[in-house]
Amino acid sequence: QSALTQPPSVSGSPGQSVTISCTGTSSDVGGYDYVSWYQHSAGKAPKLIIYEVDRRPSGVPDRFSGSKSGNTASLSVSGLQAEDEATYYCTSYASTNIVFGTGTTVTVL
Amino acid sequence: QVQLVESGGGVVQPGTSLRISCAASGFTFSDHGMHWVRQAPGKGLEWVAVIYYDGTDRYYADSVKGRFTISRDNSKKTLHLHMDSLTAADTAVYYCVRDFYSSLSGRFDYWGQGTLVTVSS
Repeated sequence: QSALTQPPSVSGSPGQSVTISCTGTSSDVGGYDYVSWYQHSAGKAPKLIIYEVDRRPSGVPDRFSGSKSGNTASLSVSGLQAEDEATYYCTSYASTNIVFGTGTTVTVL
Repeated sequence: QVQLVESGGGVVQPGTSLRISCAASGFTFSDHGMHWVRQAPGKGLEWVAVIYYDGTDRYYADSVKGRFTISRDNSKKTLHLHMDSLTAADTAVYYCVRDFYSSLSGRFDYWGQGTLVTVSS
């Protein structure tokens, strides 16, 4: 049950795009199409923004997109906005447990 | 609307036990798998445990296996987490989380606001 690996931080100017990677193993990310992404701001409950690799819940802007290749999943945010500043976590189903990523702080410059 | 409201957090001494609860409303509780997820101060999110929609299957993170027990009462729409042999490492905000599916998928579509458990002498 090792945490999935994410970069500690990424940053971009308003309007730019950023991509966050999430690296696991064939027992989690690589083995199933059940990767989700969550946006977490201080003092708030985490919010689901991507599920099943690349699907967006209703109400989530299409600026957010997900993908996966092998054991690595990715979250891309295009047209970066100030409100996107938060910590982002990936998760993966792993048969009898869920593994979280280490978290990535996105800073809007 | 869907609501998940945690309760029961507080300050406890190392080695003791505590039970936290989550009251659910606004959806058919018995249709969904339910989880506990925690966040220690200054740390990331950590999955703790899951219980399937009917309570027949439960799984735990290695860090709590043998010490924590997740349970549910579908008639009362309530989720519980009983925590034994608590240590400082268990200090965290504990979130009650709904799985979109009836079992375990990781598609956490609703979260409570969390309850703080502090283990300290």
